[in-house]
Amino acid sequence: DTAVSQTPKYLVTQMGNDKSIKCEQNLGHDTMYWYKQDSKKFLKIMFSYNNKELIINETVPNRFSPKSPDKAHLNLHINSLELGDSAVYFCASTPRPGSSYNEQFFGPGTRLTVL
Amino acid sequence: AQSVTQPDIHITVSEGASLELRCNYSYGATPYLFWYVQSPGQGLQLLLKYFSGDTLVQGIKGFEAEFKRSQSSFNLRKPSVHWSDAAEYFCAVGPRTFSSNTGKLIFGQGTTLQVKP
Repeated sequence: DTAVSQTPKYLVTQMGNDKSIKCEQNLGHDTMYWYKQDSKKFLKIMFSYNNKELIINETVPNRFSPKSPDKAHLNLHINSLELGDSAVYFCASTPRPGSSYNEQFFGPGTRLTVL
Repeated sequence: AQSVTQPDIHITVSEGASLELRCNYSYGATPYLFWYVQSPGQGLQLLLKYFSGDTLVQGIKGFEAEFKRSQSSFNLRKPSVHWSDAAEYFCAVGPRTFSSNTGKLIFGQGTTLQVKP
């Protein structure tokens, strides 16, 4: 009955590889997000999708490509991984931006280590 | 520019002591305000939130926070800290109006709470 789930939990890979992280929410929310938490624990938004439409695209290298096959899923594909991509990536969801309940529900995170 | 500042990077308190974690924000208008907690190796869990009304809000695990508009602050408090409260605490703000609202949250840099026995 997990609300927001991410796979995998840990991902260790070599520089230059391509990898994907998957996120699913079973809360019926319209909007999903990807955040990156760096080694200093600073959290920064990367992308957001509302009903499969991209609504936030922060200054993120185009090696990162989000994909939302439906409103319950938001995947993150990363091409040509670099050392600096090592971080914890969090997925989150919210019912609808601007509603009275703007709370975001977070997944457990995916720790990506690039060697 | 929109920003959230948590002035204390690291705080250590004794178990049973009171706690206050500071949060100040800079935002165009009064935002929605949140406190999240992140236990080691875990995701973020919402402690409490302020949207409107009573400026003193109660949350889970015995936490409360007070919104002070004049000071642009939303400090988190707990009267008596338990060892299990050791974690990372994040203050965050988000927009109220849908016209500009993508639901984007801006987080502070976090405060690490250590609890001494």
